[in-house]
This record gives sequence, C-alpha cells and structure tokens, in this order.
Amino acid sequence: DSGVTQTPKHLITATGQRVTLRCSPRSGDLSVYWYQQSLDQGLQFLIQYYNGEERAKGNILERFSAQQFPDLHSELNLSSLELGDSALYFCASSVAGESGNTIYFGEGSWLTVV
Amino acid sequence: GESVGLHLPTLSVQEGDNSIINCAYSNSASDYFIWYKQESGKGPQFIIDIRSNMDKRQGQRVTVLLNKTVKHLSLQIAATQPGDSAVYFCAEREYGNKLVFGAGTILRVKS
Repeated sequence: DSGVTQTPKHLITATGQRVTLRCSPRSGDLSVYWYQQSLDQGLQFLIQYYNGEERAKGNILERFSAQQFPDLHSELNLSSLELGDSALYFCASSVAGESGNTIYFGEGSWLTVV
Repeated sequence: GESVGLHLPTLSVQEGDNSIINCAYSNSASDYFIWYKQESGKGPQFIIDIRSNMDKRQGQRVTVLLNKTVKHLSLQIAATQPGDSAVYFCAEREYGNKLVFGAGTILRVKS
C-alpha cells in the first residue's frame, strides 16, 4: 500500500457526462500528480500540483481540469467525456515538487465511457 | 483513426534465473531515473532509482545500471520469483518532478 488513496476505483459513465476523481496523497506529501494510462498511449503525465498551486502541465486536455485543496487532497475533473477518455487515471504524490523526490502512485480510478 | 494498442516487449524467464530488463531514454538532460513495477489492476510501484551522477545502484535483489553515453538503463532482478511477474516501466524525470515513462516490458516468470 503506497499510502495514496483514490476514489472511486471504478466508474462507468456516458459520453458527454462529467466526472470527478478524488485523490488523497500520502501523509506529509505536498505534491500531487495525475497520470492517465490507456492501452494505446501508455502512462501519460497530465498535471502536477504543489501545496495548492499548479506546478507543471503535461498532455491534459482542455476538457479536463484539476485542483489541489488546502488539505492537500486533489480532484481531477473530466467533462464532455468521449469514448477515448476511457482509461486508468492515477494519482501520485511526493514530499516536495523537486527532482529527486520519490513519487508514489495510488491504485488508480478505472473510467469507462460508454 | 484506428486505435492500436501498445505492443509491449515480453521477457520470459525461468524461476530462479536472473532477469535483465532494458530501457532507452530520450532526454540527455534527465538527471534522475526510476524503475516501477505494475501488477495487473494495480498502480505503479516504486522499485529503485538512480541519479545521473551514478552508474550503478543496488537494492534488495535488484540492481539498476545507467549508461549515459548511450542513454540506456537496465534493471537486473536476481533469482527471479513468480511474484516478480508484472509490467516494468523505466521513467526519466524532467523539469520539476514530471516523469516520462517508457512503454514498459512484460516480465513472465515460469515455474
């Protein structure tokens, strides 16, 4: 158990809908990351937050947004869902945001868009 | 267009043998590298890391080798066990703490 908690574990929703994925980082970790894992793209970095502020942005679509709250938990919001958004979404956390800090992953939220 | 799944390389080894998983990375400026193990239905699990000022690092039953000249990483697993069966990813760290993952290698351990 990495200490990173994600909910829900599984989610099935229809195209056009909006969902929110939630993440609680490991105790003491200030930085949260979101990754998407799909069959055709592998593990792709979406976005990073550090202590409530956006730190780095990757291949995140405009239909997706994220935030990190004062209690350090994070949410990833996915809207206007398309079939191609079906994937595993991982949250990860680290103590700080700099290079050299080990990043620990949660178990993921499996999103199926039908 | 048609979506094509990633075709991951597969390494099959006999239980008890040593395994070597290879990875080529892309960014010569990357200064930190990590190996992750991902079992079916689970998140990537940290195995071992190495900084670019080192060429070898050892952990429990695992060793990572870094060759910066050819931008190559390898993960050696000693006395491979059935529980080692998983997909293994190398990752290089870019600016901030962003990880760029390789496509992964499937390790199958035969009993």
